[in-house]
Amino acid sequence: DAGVIQSPRHEVTEMGQEVTLRCKPISGHDYLFWYRQTMMRGLELLIYFNNNVPIDDSGMPEDRFSAKMPNASFSTLKIQPSEPRDSAVYFCASRQYSDGLWAPLHFGNGTRLTVT
Amino acid sequence: RKEVEQDPGPFNVPEGATVAFNCTYSNSASQSFFWYRQDCRKEPKLLMSVYSSGNEDGRFTAQLNRASQYISLLIRDSKLSDSATYLCVVNIYSNTGKLIFGQGTTLQVKP
Repeated sequence: DAGVIQSPRHEVTEMGQEVTLRCKPISGHDYLFWYRQTMMRGLELLIYFNNNVPIDDSGMPEDRFSAKMPNASFSTLKIQPSEPRDSAVYFCASRQYSDGLWAPLHFGNGTRLTVT
Repeated sequence: RKEVEQDPGPFNVPEGATVAFNCTYSNSASQSFFWYRQDCRKEPKLLMSVYSSGNEDGRFTAQLNRASQYISLLIRDSKLSDSATYLCVVNIYSNTGKLIFGQGTTLQVKP
């Protein structure tokens, strides 16, 4: 099992540029989550998908943020235009719901984004 | 009120000590509770699930109190390697997969 795979590991960009973060969930997991972590706010849920469909995007900060999941093995989180306050670690995670039981969440290594 | 709340600490304890963390949640319908551990600049990793009857894994014991809406984590015989941030995680609504994290409790075990 390769685990949740995120890319890139680090991203440094200038304010105003477009940033795209990528995620491949664990095969067979039907839920995918995007979290953002900062020292001040901790881990914040941005959006999550079930079977590739966005279920709750109430945590997405503003219209500059968008997320897609075109298929079961790939998701993107895009920020356009980026701002310095978007600097954070962005985690993708996936989990499975099976036989009425919620399995734990598995995280990727995260993408450390710095916007200058 | 936050949906999931933890005391951020830090908790500074000597090796061998017993330490306990609590976490409260706001929604009484919440199900599926977990403790995660996060080391500096790493991703959170599952420490243990929390079951209604309470559960133990070596030096770690997790308990759920539904009446008071909190979960707890007890660490016995603390090791230096236990130093980390411990995150309480709650499946906030029973019919969704939405997981909410507490802000984490930092533990520092000293020699």
